[in-house]
Amino acid sequence: GDSVTQMEGPVTLSEEAFLTINCTYTATGYPSLFWYVQYPGEGLQLLLKATKADDKGSNKGFEATYRKETTSFHLEKGSVQVSDSAVYFCALTSNNDMRFGAGTRLTVKP
Amino acid sequence: GAVVSQHPSWVICKSGTSVKIECRSLDFQATTMFWYRQFPKQSLMLMATSNEGSKATYEQGVEKDKFLINHASLTLSTLTVTSAHPEDSSFYICSAHRDRGLGYTFGSGTRLTVV
Repeated sequence: GDSVTQMEGPVTLSEEAFLTINCTYTATGYPSLFWYVQYPGEGLQLLLKATKADDKGSNKGFEATYRKETTSFHLEKGSVQVSDSAVYFCALTSNNDMRFGAGTRLTVKP
Repeated sequence: GAVVSQHPSWVICKSGTSVKIECRSLDFQATTMFWYRQFPKQSLMLMATSNEGSKATYEQGVEKDKFLINHASLTLSTLTVTSAHPEDSSFYICSAHRDRGLGYTFGSGTRLTVV
C-alpha cells in the first residue's frame, strides 16, 4: 500500500542553520504530498502541500518540491528559528486516505 | 477558512468507563471524516474512515466494538472509546475531508488518559 518514509530524528540545529528533512514515498497512483507541523501541545497544522510533479509548496520560509523521479518531497528551510521547534510530518493522500511519516522532531537552539 | 472543532481537548477517565470524542466541521460539510491515533513518538495511525450516513470503515487491527464511530450528519462525527483501559491512553485526532487531494482539515486533538 501507499506509504511515507521520513528521516528519523531528533534533529537539533542552531538558530539560522539550514534545515533539510528527507521524505520519500511509495504510491500506486499520483498522490498529493503534504508537510504538517505539530507544535508542543497543539494539533497538526498544514505547513505546505504539492499536488503534482514539480510543484513546489512553500510557507513561512519552508519549501518542498514534489519530485516524481525520486519519489521525494524533502522539506527545507534556509535559516531556522527557535520558534520552528516542533514535530514535522510528511504525508500523502491518494484515494482519500492520508498516510503519514513517522514524524521528525526538530529542536532549534539559540 | 475551514475549521474543525474537536472536543474535548483532554479527558481523564477511570478504567472501564466510556468516553465520547466529538469532531465537528464548523463552516463546511464533510462527507468523510478520519480518525487517527497518535502513539508517543510515533506517527499518526489511521483508525477508521467515517462516511456520513453509513458504517465506518476500520483499519486492520482496530477493534470496531471498542472504538465506536458515528457520523450522523455532514458536520459531526463522534468516536466513543468503550470500556476504556490504560492502554487506550493516547492522542486522538480527527480530520475532515473537503475536496479531493486538497482539503483536509484537522481537529486540535484529544488527549485521553485512562487511569
